[in-house]
Amino acid sequence: DIQMTQSPSSVSASVGDRVTITCRASQGISSRLAWYQQKPGKAPKVLIYAASSLQSGVPSRFSGSGSGTDFTLTISSLQPEDFATYYCQQSNIFPLTFGGGTKVEIK
Amino acid sequence: EVQLLESGGGLVQPGGSLRLSCAASGFIFSSYAMSWVRQAPGRGLEGVSIISGNAAYTYYVDSVKGRFTISRDNSKNTLYLQMTNLRAEDTALYYCAKAATGNVFDWFDPWGQGTLVTVSS
Repeated sequence: DIQMTQSPSSVSASVGDRVTITCRASQGISSRLAWYQQKPGKAPKVLIYAASSLQSGVPSRFSGSGSGTDFTLTISSLQPEDFATYYCQQSNIFPLTFGGGTKVEIK
Repeated sequence: EVQLLESGGGLVQPGGSLRLSCAASGFIFSSYAMSWVRQAPGRGLEGVSIISGNAAYTYYVDSVKGRFTISRDNSKNTLYLQMTNLRAEDTALYYCAKAATGNVFDWFDPWGQGTLVTVSS
């Protein structure tokens, strides 16, 4: 199985901050990576697919980059509604695996 | 609007069985792979199983192989997960999710709201 390792596991940040979350795959997955946002009590929602493509309706302050084994999700200017947990997911090989999550908390 | 509505969760004893359902609407169901993803209380996401649009291909995570069976009825726009020999570690919120572009190897969009399975004596 491909292991997806996210870091950090949590981050405290203020409104307006730039936040970067990384995801590392245990083997190359090309660009077959998605990022999700999950708020408490809600289902995950896709933000980024194919490593860098912004899902329709998602604010442009979210961006993704990377290929192969190393990927990044960046929130350019954190907004109050962005406090949530973020997950990466690889879709290159089954089982489709997720990272452990990064909780973005209010500083 | 695409909608996914799960049902069938509940409290079951270890060794018991449950069948989850996911009623889909708003898209051509038979054209899309569908998946079950679970989330244990306070934990992360785990892909459990996925089935192709025509049901020709199914995949399972190792921990449920031989115990869970994914299926679909394209005439009823419904996805199922038959779970047998349930264990405490199967306790989780089970989400139904649509493969975004239809392929088996895909990201998921959207997700249902989930149905809770609790395995306890």
